[in-house]
Amino acid sequence: KQEVTQIPAALSVPEGENLVLNCSFTDSAIYNLQWFRQDPGKGLTSLLLIQSSQREQTSGRLNASLDKSSGRSTLYIAASQPGDSATYLCAVSLTGGSQGNLIFGKGTKLSVKP
Amino acid sequence: ETGVTQTPRHLVMGMTNKKSLKCEQHLGHNAMYWYKQSAKKPLELMFVYSLEERVENNSVPSRFSPECPNSSHLFLHLHTLQPEDSALYLCASSQDVDYGYTFGSGTRLTVV
Repeated sequence: KQEVTQIPAALSVPEGENLVLNCSFTDSAIYNLQWFRQDPGKGLTSLLLIQSSQREQTSGRLNASLDKSSGRSTLYIAASQPGDSATYLCAVSLTGGSQGNLIFGKGTKLSVKP
Repeated sequence: ETGVTQTPRHLVMGMTNKKSLKCEQHLGHNAMYWYKQSAKKPLELMFVYSLEERVENNSVPSRFSPECPNSSHLFLHLHTLQPEDSALYLCASSQDVDYGYTFGSGTRLTVV
């Protein structure tokens, strides 16, 4: 059974710091991996999608890497800002096509202090 | 807005009530999903509809009843719920998993 673990569960950093969020999964047979952001009481906003054949994706100050063989992904946030404060969720997709199922981690709650 | 709209945003209902959650997507996607997010637990998949047919039902109690009348609309009908069903219910859609999932803002449900 696929399990997704995110470490740390919570992280507090001062503004301007570069930081790394970690995600690990137990079964390397994934189709792709997606990072989401969730603000308190709100829905999920997709940040980056990495296909299983890719090593990384970048969007602005965000960079996500994927090492499928070791079952790991990292989300790197450069020059963090208070507006980055949110919970970051990692999810892996088990199958291709429209019937895929996302397995989520519990998330990392990030707080960026001004 | 992400292109996936959920209503209502908040809902308080008694255990004997019947209510429905609505989800609408304007992205032309061919699959829609219901997820449940409870405190301190990962998101849990409840139902998957692909091309308007249900393809997944993750052992969800029968007091939750989904309906997908067309590829743009998804409902979750609720009846005789329990307080432990209080959670954030999220709808998502996708056009083949290659392109990832798009989520709505969720309905915060409280059962009293």
